[in-house]
Amino acid sequence: DAGITQSPRYKITETGRQVTLMCHQTWSHSYMFWYRQDLGHGLRLIYYSAAADITDKGEVPDGYVVSRSKTENFPLTLESATRSQTSVYFCASSESFAAWDTQYFGPGTRLTVL
Amino acid sequence: AQSVTQLDSQVPVFEEAPVELRCNYSSSVSVYLFWYVQYPNQGLQLLLKYLSGSTLVKGINGFEAEFNKSQTSFHLRKPSVHISDTAEYFCAVSDPGSGGYNKLIFGAGTRLAVHP
Repeated sequence: DAGITQSPRYKITETGRQVTLMCHQTWSHSYMFWYRQDLGHGLRLIYYSAAADITDKGEVPDGYVVSRSKTENFPLTLESATRSQTSVYFCASSESFAAWDTQYFGPGTRLTVL
Repeated sequence: AQSVTQLDSQVPVFEEAPVELRCNYSSSVSVYLFWYVQYPNQGLQLLLKYLSGSTLVKGINGFEAEFNKSQTSFHLRKPSVHISDTAEYFCAVSDPGSGGYNKLIFGAGTRLAVHP
C-alpha cells in the first residue's frame, strides 16, 4: 500500500545504545521531516530534509543524526540513547516546501529508553 | 517566534452533542493554520486547513473551523460528535514569512473523549 511507513513500530533499548528508526515513503515527496511527540509539548521538529543529501536541524536536534541517501528513505539515528529520548517519533513528508502544503505522517515509532 | 495554545488539554462530551476545541496562535501576521487528528495508535491526519479567503473552513468527518484574525484564533467545531471522533486533535500554524519553508508549529493537543 502506498504511503509513508515507519519501522519498528515499538522499540525498547537501553541507555547508551545506538538506535535507528526507519522511514519510507512511496510518493516521491522531496521533503521529509522527523518529529517527536511528548505529553504537553505536541510535536516538535527534530530534523528535516529538502532532498537527497540535504538535511537541516529543527527545533530539538541534539542527540540525533539523520541521513538521506535516497529520496524515499529518511532514517533517524540516536547515537547514544538517553532516557530523555523516550518518546513517540513521527516521520512526515510533503510534496513541496511551501508553508501552505500538507504534511503526511507515518504511524509513529514508540521508543522506550531504559 | 510563533506559538500555538490549545486551551483545553481534555474535552469530555456525550455522543451527539456539539463540541468546540479551542486554538489560539501568537502572531497577527499572515499565517496558515491546520487542524490534525490522531486516532489511537495512528499517525496524524489532516482534518482541514486555512490558507486564505472564507474564514469558515470545512474539513473531513463533519468538522469545520473558523479563522478569526483579530482574536488570533482558529477554533474547531462539530455540531454532533460520534464515538469514533474520540482522538487527539492538534492545531498547528505555519508561517510563510519564516523563509517560506514548511515548518509546522504544533499546539500541545486536545484529547476529545466522546461518551455514549
